[in-house]
Amino acid sequence: QLRLQESGPGLVKPSETLSLTCTVSGGSISSSRYYWGWIRQPSGKGLEWIGTVYNSGSTYYNPSLQSRLTISVDTSKKHFSLKMSSMTAADTAVYYCTEGILGLNGGFEIWGQGTVVTVSS
Amino acid sequence: QSVLTQPPSASGTPGQRVTISCSGSSSNIGSNTVKWYQQLPGTAPKLLIYSNNQRPSGVPDRFSGSKSGTSASLAISGLQSEDEADYYCAAWDDSLKGVFGGGTKLTVL
Repeated sequence: QLRLQESGPGLVKPSETLSLTCTVSGGSISSSRYYWGWIRQPSGKGLEWIGTVYNSGSTYYNPSLQSRLTISVDTSKKHFSLKMSSMTAADTAVYYCTEGILGLNGGFEIWGQGTVVTVSS
Repeated sequence: QSVLTQPPSASGTPGQRVTISCSGSSSNIGSNTVKWYQQLPGTAPKLLIYSNNQRPSGVPDRFSGSKSGTSASLAISGLQSEDEADYYCAAWDDSLKGVFGGGTKLTVL
């Protein structure tokens, strides 16, 4: 069973860049059947899609965040990453990394436990 | 303001059947498939339904999904206390972005 684990700083200063890594275990990260995503959830609020990267090479970003985002996959290190620049308090949230397989039509079946990111000076 | 519209709350008694609606537009639900997620308190979301009405392995058949036009519904039959959770609908939008509903808090009375 595939497992995902987020890692990164819990506290980021305003204007800084957030870097999160999602380590994949229990399966192959390189299969072309997989896609990987990031989703966040501010405390007490709903889910927000951040972006999705397909092993086939395509990457899609939330247009409202696109100018600040980079999502990439490193198959050699068995992880994928999220970089979000110019962080503000509005970016404070739980960040989840997720996985899906072609056939789920964009659905995310495997989720990490989530990592809390607070933006504060 | 979420792109997909869900009622903020729903409720039912054990054994009852409840439905949760999700309304979108021609650019998302109208032209793409719908997913439903269940989020139990303090945990990560879980995929309940994909491709409008398909259940991943391990999801009980008490959960079912349907879609008509630009709306979708999640039905839970034989309601159980452990079904008390937040439920989110999701879809792809033709503007090349993923969209979620605002979530529905289901209370089992």
